Amino acid sequence: KAGVTQTPRYLIKTRGQQVTLSCSPISGHRSVSWYQQTPGQGLQFLFEYFSETQRNKGNFPGRFSGRQFSNSRSEMNVSTLELGDSALYLCASLLAGGPGETQYFGPGTRLLVL
Amino acid sequence: KNEVEQSPQNLTAQEGEFITINCSYSVGISALHWLQQHPGGGIVSLFMLSSGKKKHGRLIATINIQEKHSSLHITASHPRDSAVYICAVRNNNDMRFGAGTRLTVKP
Repeated sequence: KAGVTQTPRYLIKTRGQQVTLSCSPISGHRSVSWYQQTPGQGLQFLFEYFSETQRNKGNFPGRFSGRQFSNSRSEMNVSTLELGDSALYLCASLLAGGPGETQYFGPGTRLLVL
Repeated sequence: KNEVEQSPQNLTAQEGEFITINCSYSVGISALHWLQQHPGGGIVSLFMLSSGKKKHGRLIATINIQEKHSSLHITASHPRDSAVYICAVRNNNDMRFGAGTRLTVKP
């Protein structure tokens, strides 16, 4: 069974640009969660999707958005990039997204904003 | 005060030593997760706990719901255990993370 894939793995952008990151969950999994990891703030929850619906959202500004497609693949978008958006963005795949489920993490997308 | 506190922040051990990493939380939870992150960023989920104790190989995780505390133990530590260990608590709405414990096991 293929694992969680994230594309691209590395990305360099400049301030003001926008970026779209992609996450393909494990086949059969219907829930995807997104996280941001920075040296200063550590890991923080961005949002969670289940069956194309955003189920939960973390405390991030509206510049951060996401969506999930019918094949469970998910994208997150960050508009008007700021230097502080430089981070490792991780997605996790879950069967249905219940609190007691194991999360399977992707390798992450490392974003650098110049 | 952080809602999820881990201790210690850094830990250096000699190969073979018994290791304990602690996690205390102040919010209501549905489950607690222990994660392992190696250099390069990849995260692996080690345990999910809602009560009691779980064991997998040399790793043992316990949780005390009343005291809002969990511990991760590594028996007979090995250099390949060197990583950052992260405690995360899940409620119905989101997931909160500790700052992580950086473990270095020397041969």
